Amino acid sequence: DAGVIQSPRHEVTEMGQEVTLRCKPISGHNSLFWYRQTMMRGLELLIYFNNNVPIDDSGMPEDRFSAKMPNASFSTLKIQPSEPRDSAVYFCASSLLRGTEKLFFGSGTQLSVL
Amino acid sequence: DAKTTQPPSMDCAEGRAANLPCNHSTISGNEYVYWYRQIHSQGPQYIIHGLKNNETNEMASLIITEDRKSSTLILPHATLRDTAVYYCIVRGSGAGSYQLTFGKGTKLSVIP
Repeated sequence: DAGVIQSPRHEVTEMGQEVTLRCKPISGHNSLFWYRQTMMRGLELLIYFNNNVPIDDSGMPEDRFSAKMPNASFSTLKIQPSEPRDSAVYFCASSLLRGTEKLFFGSGTQLSVL
Repeated sequence: DAKTTQPPSMDCAEGRAANLPCNHSTISGNEYVYWYRQIHSQGPQYIIHGLKNNETNEMASLIITEDRKSSTLILPHATLRDTAVYYCIVRGSGAGSYQLTFGKGTKLSVIP
């Protein structure tokens, strides 16, 4: 089991550019989460998918952020246009989530917007 | 979900037991206590969880008080690789209780 796979590991871009972060959850998991981590705000849940359907996107900061899950094995988080305040580490996690199942996190994408 | 309170930092000598406390005085009857840790530059990692009874696995032990208002995570023989931020999280069970709300956690430093 390769675990949750995120790409790229690091992303450096300029303000105004579009950024796409990618996530491959663990095979068989039915729930996927995108988290953001900054020094100021810690780990924050951005969006939660269950069976490929967005259930809770209340944590998405603003309309510049969008997330999709076209199938059970792939999800993207897109920022367009990016701003310096979007600089953070973005984590994807997956789970079976039928009760008390644990979340498995990827290694994260370190995003720097200049 | 109930709020948790943890000390911001702790030190532990290598080879000794690390005891990390967590207060969750407003926990309700169907809420579980979860522990995760985050080693520098990595994603959070699940350690253990419990409801009422004490739990043990290959990584740690979880001791929950009888009134469930506090708990202690025990790493029996801390190593340098256990240096990390440890998060205590309270979460309900069932499909509606999906969110893990991370606080600031306890930064554990294992000293050689």
